[in-house]
Amino acid sequence: AQSVTQPDIHITVSEGASLELRCNYSYGATPYLFWYVQSPGQGLQLLLKYFSGDTLVQGIKGFEAEFKRSQSSFNLRKPSVHWSDAAEYFCAVARYGGSQGNLIFGKGTKLSVKP
Amino acid sequence: DVKVTQSSRYLVKRTGEKVFLECVQDMDHENMFWYRQDPGLGLRLIYFSYDVKMKEKGDIPEGYSVSREKKERFSLILESASTNQTSMYLCASSLRREGPYEQYFGPGTRLTVT
Repeated sequence: AQSVTQPDIHITVSEGASLELRCNYSYGATPYLFWYVQSPGQGLQLLLKYFSGDTLVQGIKGFEAEFKRSQSSFNLRKPSVHWSDAAEYFCAVARYGGSQGNLIFGKGTKLSVKP
Repeated sequence: DVKVTQSSRYLVKRTGEKVFLECVQDMDHENMFWYRQDPGLGLRLIYFSYDVKMKEKGDIPEGYSVSREKKERFSLILESASTNQTSMYLCASSLRREGPYEQYFGPGTRLTVT
């Protein structure tokens, strides 16, 4: 069965430091991948997505992600974290076939930012 | 911008009550979804719909039903609420049945069943 793994439940970084959130997926063919962010008490907002083409994808709020087929990974990065980036981050992959647009979500990584 | 709205941000209900959670999207999306979100478990799909009056079970449909009478509206129904249904409920929509397309989420309804 398809799955998405976010190995880190909680990460703390200092403001201004770089950030990398890990995501691994299980799927044989080229996956459709997403990163979402959820601020406390809010719904999810799409940060970026990868469907095909350039494996380095730029998103909103200064985030980027790199698709690495050999590692089945789609890690999210940001060069300099701001206090407002404190939130929970979810990686997702479209279910096999994707005919109904269903996504499988990882369990999330909570990001805390130290001043 | 796509807007997905949910009828309540917070809801408190008693065990055994029938509970309706409403979701409306304003972008003529074909697909609509209901998830529940629990700490450490991420998002789990309850039901989804790709057309009016059509519905499909997700991963955890037990104890829930849904209704989609109009394209823009998707309702989640708890026939007899139980304490283990205390959770955050998120509605989402996406453009078309033939995906994949990104999903747009509402702000969520935090339901407490006492």
